[in-house]
Amino acid sequence: GQSLEQPSEVTAVEGAIVQINCTYQTSGFYGLSWYQQHDGGAPTFLSYNALDGLEETGRFSSFLSRSDSYGYLLLQELQMKDSASYFCAVQDTGKLIFGQGTTLQVKP
Amino acid sequence: DAGVTQSPTHLIKTRGQHVTLRCSPISGHKSVSWYQQVLGQGPQFIFQYYEKEERGRGNFPDRFSARQFPNYSSELNVNALLLGDSALYLCASRVSRLANTEAFFGQGTRLTVV
Repeated sequence: GQSLEQPSEVTAVEGAIVQINCTYQTSGFYGLSWYQQHDGGAPTFLSYNALDGLEETGRFSSFLSRSDSYGYLLLQELQMKDSASYFCAVQDTGKLIFGQGTTLQVKP
Repeated sequence: DAGVTQSPTHLIKTRGQHVTLRCSPISGHKSVSWYQQVLGQGPQFIFQYYEKEERGRGNFPDRFSARQFPNYSSELNVNALLLGDSALYLCASRVSRLANTEAFFGQGTRLTVV
């Protein structure tokens, strides 16, 4: 089967750093993507890792280890607007396989 | 430049009815995919279309069908609606089929089956 595991909820305070982990088991793999989704909104692309290592985009960074089937999203200098659901998704041929999502609550 | 547009935004249907959802991809994008997102879960892949041909299908019953038109817009059809079909239906477009290209999502159609 195909599965992605990520924590269901994470809580942090403004200005802090939070890491959301994702482990995956899929039949196909081209890379790991991260998406942000606010309530009732469209998933918004955050980052993509095809190779091992760290990708940095502003306050967000993403890491991938293909040998460990593991990745994480790192959010720095948390802001209230970062409160949302975060999904890791494996890129397979022509499709995205999503995890169940992590709800991030940022508190003042 | 317009993003991915979906219509309608909300829809209420009765069990057993049929529904058609529409998606217009970003200009220049030839790949359109459909996803179902049940409340509290991640999106589930339904179909991918590229150059008007079905290129992938997820684990959904034959009641679900789709097509892509020459202008690359797409329709998702669901027959014999069940209560369990209530979900947010998302359309995503890519410039190509390549897996390393970013998928852009529309705001979705919220379908409620009563």
